[in-house]
Amino acid sequence: AQSVTQPDIHITVSEGASLELRCNYSYGATPYLFWYVQSPGQGLQLLLKYFSGDTLVQGIKGFEAEFKRSQSSFNLRKPSVHWSDAAEYFCAVGTYNTDKLIFGTGTRLQVFP
Amino acid sequence: DAGVTQSPTHLIKTRGQHVTLRCSPISGHKSVSWYQQVLGQGPQFIFQYYEKEERGRGNFPDRFSARQFPNYSSELNVNALLLGDSALYLCASSPDYDLTEAFFGQGTRLTVV
Repeated sequence: AQSVTQPDIHITVSEGASLELRCNYSYGATPYLFWYVQSPGQGLQLLLKYFSGDTLVQGIKGFEAEFKRSQSSFNLRKPSVHWSDAAEYFCAVGTYNTDKLIFGTGTRLQVFP
Repeated sequence: DAGVTQSPTHLIKTRGQHVTLRCSPISGHKSVSWYQQVLGQGPQFIFQYYEKEERGRGNFPDRFSARQFPNYSSELNVNALLLGDSALYLCASSPDYDLTEAFFGQGTRLTVV
């Protein structure tokens, strides 16, 4: 079955600390992988995506993610978190010519000053 | 350029009623997808429309229907509303059916009482 797992429901970090959000997927075809961010009451903003090539991808707001096929993972990282990064983060998977994205249940990030 | 526009932003309906949600895609985009996001969960795929044809449908009852107009805008209709239909409904537009360039709107918050 196609699925995305985000094992961490809630993560709290101090401002300036590094961050890693985990994402594991189960998908039969070659995956396209995405990370989205959602602020309270808002829609989804794309942070970054991977569908081929270099397995380390750079996104907006200083985020990066690494695709590891052997581990079926696509973890999101940021070296130094800012208070404005507090939000909900969603990992999603799709593939070429699919009609839909499959989302994980999200990780809520809280940032303390 | 205007992004994906959804209307209304919020609405409250009573059980058993009908609701219509609207989405205007980014200019030039021909595909619109609809997702339901229940509080605390990731978005779930409802429909994808491309060139005014339904291209995909998620695991939702027949009470849910949609259509896409010649100008590529779209409506999502839900009949016989249930309390469980309370959610944020997200619309995503993309240039074609390829999801690597999908952009999400701010969503419509539906509350069923």
